[in-house]
Amino acid sequence: EDQVTQSPEALRLQEGESSSLNCSYTVSGLRGLFWYRQDPGKGPEFLFTLYSAGEEKEKERLKATLTKKESFLHITAPKPEDSATYLCAFSGGSNYKLTFGKGTLLTVNP
Amino acid sequence: GAGVSQSPSNKVTEKGKDVELRCDPISGHTALYWYRQSLGQGLEFLIYFQGNSAPDKSGLPSDRFSAERTGGSVSTLTIQRTQQEDSAVYLCASSSRGAGDEKLFFGSGTQLSVL
Repeated sequence: EDQVTQSPEALRLQEGESSSLNCSYTVSGLRGLFWYRQDPGKGPEFLFTLYSAGEEKEKERLKATLTKKESFLHITAPKPEDSATYLCAFSGGSNYKLTFGKGTLLTVNP
Repeated sequence: GAGVSQSPSNKVTEKGKDVELRCDPISGHTALYWYRQSLGQGLEFLIYFQGNSAPDKSGLPSDRFSAERTGGSVSTLTIQRTQQEDSAVYLCASSSRGAGDEKLFFGSGTQLSVL
C-alpha cells in the first residue's frame, strides 16, 4: 500500500540551529516527491519537487534531498520566520493525486 | 485571478443542513483537486477533476458528499445532511495538467464547523 510518514511530528529549534526533517515513503512508480510549507490559516505553499533518487534542490535556507525510500528537508541556520508546518507528499503509480503526510510542525525560537 | 480562490472562508452550519463550498481555480488549469484537513491530521484526498470529468472520486467519504465542475473552471463541493465529523478545513487546489508530476496551487480553504 502506498504510504508516507513524516518525522518528527514537532521540532523546536533555536535560531541558527540547523536540523533535518524526514519523509519516508512507499510507492510503486514514483512520479514526484513534493515538499510544501503551511502557515496557520492558509493553504499549503509549494517548495520543491524531486523526481529521482540522488536529486537535490535548494531554496534559501532549505535543501531537499531524495533517496529511493526517504526524502529529507534540511534547514540551515533557521530563522523565526521559518516556523511553519512542513508537508511531504508523493504521486505515483496510476494515481495523479498527491498523497500527503501529516506534517512536521517546526518552531524556531529567536 | 492570480491564485486559487475559495468561498466562503468560514461556514458554520447546524447538523443535518446541506452546505456548498466553492472553488475558483487558476485560469487555464485543467486539473482541480479537493482535500480535507482535520485538526491534527494530514490532508485527505477527496476528489480529482480533469476538465469537467472526475476520474478519481475514491476519497469521498460517503454518498452525502458530491462535487461538480462546470466550464472546466469553477467547482462546487456539496455536503448533504452535515454531521459533526464533517467539521474540517476543505482545501481546493489546481494544476495546469494534472499529470501527477507537477505542483499543486492551493487556496486558503473553507473552515466548516457543524454544530
